Amino acid sequence: EPEVTQTPSHQVTQMGQEVILRCVPISNHLYFYWYRQILGQKVEFLVSFYNNEISEKSEIFDDQFSVERPDGSNFTLKIRSTKLEDSAMYFCASIQESSYNEQFFGPGTRLTVL
Amino acid sequence: DAKTTQPPSMDCAEGRAANLPCNHSTISGNEYVYWYRQIHSQGPQYIIHGLKNNETNEMASLIITEDRKSSTLILPHATLRDTAVYYCFTRSQGAQKLVFGQGTRLTINP
Repeated sequence: EPEVTQTPSHQVTQMGQEVILRCVPISNHLYFYWYRQILGQKVEFLVSFYNNEISEKSEIFDDQFSVERPDGSNFTLKIRSTKLEDSAMYFCASIQESSYNEQFFGPGTRLTVL
Repeated sequence: DAKTTQPPSMDCAEGRAANLPCNHSTISGNEYVYWYRQIHSQGPQYIIHGLKNNETNEMASLIITEDRKSSTLILPHATLRDTAVYYCFTRSQGAQKLVFGQGTRLTINP
């Protein structure tokens, strides 16, 4: 069964460093998302991406964040200068078309900022 | 999306049916009811969705009241692996972002 994959599973970084989280969505999917979950809190939407551009973003997704689909398969989330409060699980998700119902989530990347 | 209300936690014995309620009294006519779950530290997982008719798949059944103001997710024979946080959403279509609430933490007891 096709699945969304994410790498790395765990990333540790120093405050102020840049990190790139990688996702490989399911191959024929058209809509892509990043969500995050701070430990013990609810899952929060960050950004959605369609047709090579951001379709919606939350207040969390400020200038420190960017997304890219560089090669038609990978979907990346970059945090330019990490802060302690960026420590969280980051989940990538994708869906085939807008009329479809199931968003498929990846296993997540745990980001720890020291 | 209409606001949903779920109990914060529930317990169920292994092998019994788990019935998880959700209130969505402000649901609009074109909104579906969706259920997802999140097993500890894993990515959320789609379970089922429906508009007004009851729905069943290999994972669960969804019962929606006639006035569509509430619904119940039924796991017919709960197993320990069904221990998770269960989220109820109302959305007009699948590609919209998911806005997670606190959900219901379901614990299946042996």
